[in-house]
Amino acid sequence: KNEVEQSPQNLTAQEGEFITINCSYSVGISALHWLQQHPGGGIVSLFMLSSGKKKHGRLIATINIQEKHSSLHITASHPRDSAVYICAVRTQGAQKLVFGQGTRLTINP
Amino acid sequence: NAGVTQTPKFQVLKTGQSMTLQCAQDMNHEYMSWYRQDPGMGLRLIHYSVGAGITDQGEVPNGYNVSRSTTEDFPLRLLSAAPSQTSVYFCASRVTSGSFYEQYFGPGTRLTVT
Repeated sequence: KNEVEQSPQNLTAQEGEFITINCSYSVGISALHWLQQHPGGGIVSLFMLSSGKKKHGRLIATINIQEKHSSLHITASHPRDSAVYICAVRTQGAQKLVFGQGTRLTINP
Repeated sequence: NAGVTQTPKFQVLKTGQSMTLQCAQDMNHEYMSWYRQDPGMGLRLIHYSVGAGITDQGEVPNGYNVSRSTTEDFPLRLLSAAPSQTSVYFCASRVTSGSFYEQYFGPGTRLTVT
């Protein structure tokens, strides 16, 4: 079993829908990252968080440390949100990141 | 700042050939790393470095060498390419200190080994 599991693996929705992508992990962490990878391949960091909730524009990330779970929400989704969303955790005491497999999101107009 | 740069963007090699993937960053980050990304799998760490002169193996180091002679550069060498090394390679960098940091990724190198 992977240390970081994302669900769903693929998600297709209509423009305007509320999107939720989930990330569960099985190890103690010091921080969790949400990354976005566009079809061109580049990876950008969206959020890094260790507790609570963060919001940036239409994107919201939450984390529940006790339940070892994080969610990424997109409100009023748009076709330009179509990308692969990747969850990654930094394990406690380690320098390295452990990555989930990614969730491929497609927003249709 | 240019951020993290990688060259080349695309490369096709024949089995047994060698090559070096270049990675550079201009943010004075101590920590640099190389990942490979394969379909259906998460990014996997190949090698990493916590500073000039210091490198260590990641999850999938076999078939790859690295060196870190300067803070800015972290090249990845394939000594004898194999089809199993067909992948997209990403270089990344970040500061070392603290538990809360942002990871910066290069644009990736798509490598095909035939």
